Amino acid sequence: LAKTTQPISMDSYEGQEVNITCSHNNIATNDYITWYQQFPSQGPRFIIQGYKTKVTNEVASLFIPADRKSSTLSLPRVSLSDTAVYYCLVFNTDKLIFGTGTRLQVFP
Amino acid sequence: GAVVSQHPSWVICKSGTSVKIECRSLDFQATTMFWYRQFPKQSLMLMATSNEGSKATYEQGVEKDKFLINHASLTLSTLTVTSAHPEDSSFYICSAPRDRGLDNYGYTFGSGTRLTVV
Repeated sequence: LAKTTQPISMDSYEGQEVNITCSHNNIATNDYITWYQQFPSQGPRFIIQGYKTKVTNEVASLFIPADRKSSTLSLPRVSLSDTAVYYCLVFNTDKLIFGTGTRLQVFP
Repeated sequence: GAVVSQHPSWVICKSGTSVKIECRSLDFQATTMFWYRQFPKQSLMLMATSNEGSKATYEQGVEKDKFLINHASLTLSTLTVTSAHPEDSSFYICSAPRDRGLDNYGYTFGSGTRLTVV
């Protein structure tokens, strides 16, 4: 399973765009990239998933370069409620192994 | 859709007793269930994988006799913490994969169980 590396923490202010980059140098051809959000004392919640190029949904965008060795989660115009831990994972229908995650703190 | 219901959400038990945590897939069949443990300010650590109708697979370092996992049906998996000790106090989370084709493969997580052993 590909190991992921992402910043331990990030700070932002309300209304700003936040980009969290994750490295996964050993990603395999069949691996997908997925991001989850977790609030304290809750289970992780799915944000977005992709294989290559760009994926966008109602809450975020995911940018994946051609070599797929990294990915960037983009959160547009964050609010206080986006304060959480964000996990980047790679998988191919196997079990999900979590890395350290990025603790995002949004300030007013 | 794709909801995993986890109960209880929190439990306090005395040292030496056993606690059972249940995870039910409400609107899909979960042939596989993953069990995680999470300590404060740390990431989720995979403990074991349960498969319906067969023995669970435990990750290295996880005591199978202490963390009993049963997956008796396609919608129910249980984790029993036996002879609990204060160091077992943690946040336990289950997760089930939803196979809708690789392009739309995903995992649904339960809401977690906060176990406190006193």
